[in-house]
Amino acid sequence: DVKVTQSSRYLVKRTGEKVFLECVQDMDHENMFWYRQDPGLGLRLIYFSYDVKMKEKGDIPEGYSVSREKKERFSLILESASTNQTSMYLCAAGGYTDTQYFGPGTRLTVL
Amino acid sequence: RKEVEQDPGPFNVPEGATVAFNCTYSNSASQSFFWYRQDCRKEPKLLMSVYSSGNEDGRFTAQLNRASQYISLLIRDSKLSDSATYLCVVNDGDYKLSFGAGTTVTVRA
Repeated sequence: DVKVTQSSRYLVKRTGEKVFLECVQDMDHENMFWYRQDPGLGLRLIYFSYDVKMKEKGDIPEGYSVSREKKERFSLILESASTNQTSMYLCAAGGYTDTQYFGPGTRLTVL
Repeated sequence: RKEVEQDPGPFNVPEGATVAFNCTYSNSASQSFFWYRQDCRKEPKLLMSVYSSGNEDGRFTAQLNRASQYISLLIRDSKLSDSATYLCVVNDGDYKLSFGAGTTVTVRA
């Protein structure tokens, strides 16, 4: 099984801070994804990457950026955190038409 | 309109009961379908893929109805450990999966 780890389970930041969320996978998957999950809305795709240094916008990329310098690592960056970015952030690795393996999630609170 | 819609529930059922719920999708070109399970405060995990002819995995049965654009999940002989949120997931043949908001099932002793 693919193992996906995320740097923090819980994070509390202040409005305007720059926030880095790190994700690492151990199975050499080309594709990695960042989602946010909010009650009643399901998972929404923020960004995904299909190769090192390659990225594509998902459904809700505004206010976020990503970095993929190594195949196993995919970072999500909030340039200037806002309260409406308080959410559960889930990283995944896997296919588009295949299984995606999720990390345990980071619950981010922006005050 | 959401791409994938689910009844949020909760479905409260006694142990041993059968519970079934549906999910509708809006894109008729959708090609791949899945059910994921998410336990409270945990990450989603694949429960099963859904094939055109329908498929079973132990006590779980998934069906696809392309004409009416819905998929279903049926759980027989419910166990306490089946309590979770079940996410309906659809791929449109494009690069991404669309997730429903989930159906919560609670199995009581």
